Amino acid sequence: GAGVSQSPRYKVAKRGQDVALRCDPISGHVSLFWYQQALGQGPEFLTYFQNEAQLDKSGLPSDRFFAERPEGSVSTLKIQRTQQEDSAVYLCASSRPFRLDEQYFGPGTRLTVT
Amino acid sequence: SQQGEEDPQALSIQEGENATMNCSYKTSINNLQWYRQNSGRGLVHLILIRSNEREKHSGRLRVTLDTSKKSSSLLITASRAADTASYFCATDQRGAQKLVFGQGTRLTINP
Repeated sequence: GAGVSQSPRYKVAKRGQDVALRCDPISGHVSLFWYQQALGQGPEFLTYFQNEAQLDKSGLPSDRFFAERPEGSVSTLKIQRTQQEDSAVYLCASSRPFRLDEQYFGPGTRLTVT
Repeated sequence: SQQGEEDPQALSIQEGENATMNCSYKTSINNLQWYRQNSGRGLVHLILIRSNEREKHSGRLRVTLDTSKKSSSLLITASRAADTASYFCATDQRGAQKLVFGQGTRLTINP
């Protein structure tokens, strides 16, 4: 079946603009994760959803970052007033409940803030 | 902040040689996984080893886990040019629903 998809694949934003990144998880996967990967680094956890409930947002770097999953499927990561340090690849992953050993990753969205 | 430390940060070897990468972590874990990432692409799951296992094989991959030293190694035997990629270890901590990744090893296989 289809894997995790993310859009757009590439986004260039001017500093101060708002951006919205979309993730379509694998059908039936109730757990959804967002990670941020800076250039040359490993992914870092941002936030986690179980269905529509955001159970952990401890990794969000500032209150400019906001994630939602209103119907328990598609998720959107929104970054307000983007800064240059927000430039990174944003990865989405999904899994069945409590199955961190079966986390499937999307291709990511590469955000460049100029 | 990231939990895992990986070494070396970069490794360049000739095709056919074996490549070994190491990962250390800080807290108790349930599982440790290794992922590969080709440039500009997503993460591909390679192999998982559970905290009660010491060694696991999958094709040309061999993973070891030493929970007393909080470390793991990934060995790729008979390397191929297509193995050129970044490799990351990831752990899941007990009681937390997230993966914690290392900084990765950039592996280059020279033909």
